Amino acid sequence: SQQGEEDPQALSIQEGENATMNCSYKTSINNLQWYRQNSGRGLVHLILIRSNEREKHSGRLRVTLDTSKKSSSLLITASRAADTASYFCATDDKGYSTLTFGKGTMLLVSP
Amino acid sequence: DARVTQTPRHKVTEMGQEVTMRCQPILGHNTVFWYRQTMMQGLELLAYFRNRAPLDDSGMPKDRFSAEMPDATLATLKIQPSEPRDSAVYFCASGLVGTGHQPQHFGDGTRLSIL
Repeated sequence: SQQGEEDPQALSIQEGENATMNCSYKTSINNLQWYRQNSGRGLVHLILIRSNEREKHSGRLRVTLDTSKKSSSLLITASRAADTASYFCATDDKGYSTLTFGKGTMLLVSP
Repeated sequence: DARVTQTPRHKVTEMGQEVTMRCQPILGHNTVFWYRQTMMQGLELLAYFRNRAPLDDSGMPKDRFSAEMPDATLATLKIQPSEPRDSAVYFCASGLVGTGHQPQHFGDGTRLSIL
């Protein structure tokens, strides 16, 4: 079964709106990462948050981590059409070297 | 910008044929990963190498899949014989593991269709 489960599976918003995606996981982790995948391309790393961190920012991205609830959220503020992509969370649940990816949230931002 | 390069980008072949996918990791990265992505299963880790040595290939069907890293600039994933259920997008990623928590850098994948 998937370690990370993203919610919702799909999200459709207008440009300028905020987009929030959630990720839940099952076992303890050292860090959680978020990746973006544009259609027909590979995954691109967005942000990493360590288990001892609660919130992290990078540009228009804000990630939170709640280890007591085993959940994380990714907020994209003031979304743009170029943000249209699938977003995946990934956890290092199986050890230091490898990541387990969720099935992703498909985000559509309409102009 | 350093990138992971995968070839071919697309491959269509008939069942039973051998398929070889190639990956050039980012220079200086010590770990190379092979993933398979399908709509049903999502992204699955097939195998990974550290300093060219295979560390784990438990995600790979052993009877038909093989992964090698003949040198630091080339990783290969081979399927022989191929089957229609192998149709998927195969990604290679590389990273520098052992210096803290580091991201993985992905290639753009090989889209494989087995007829």
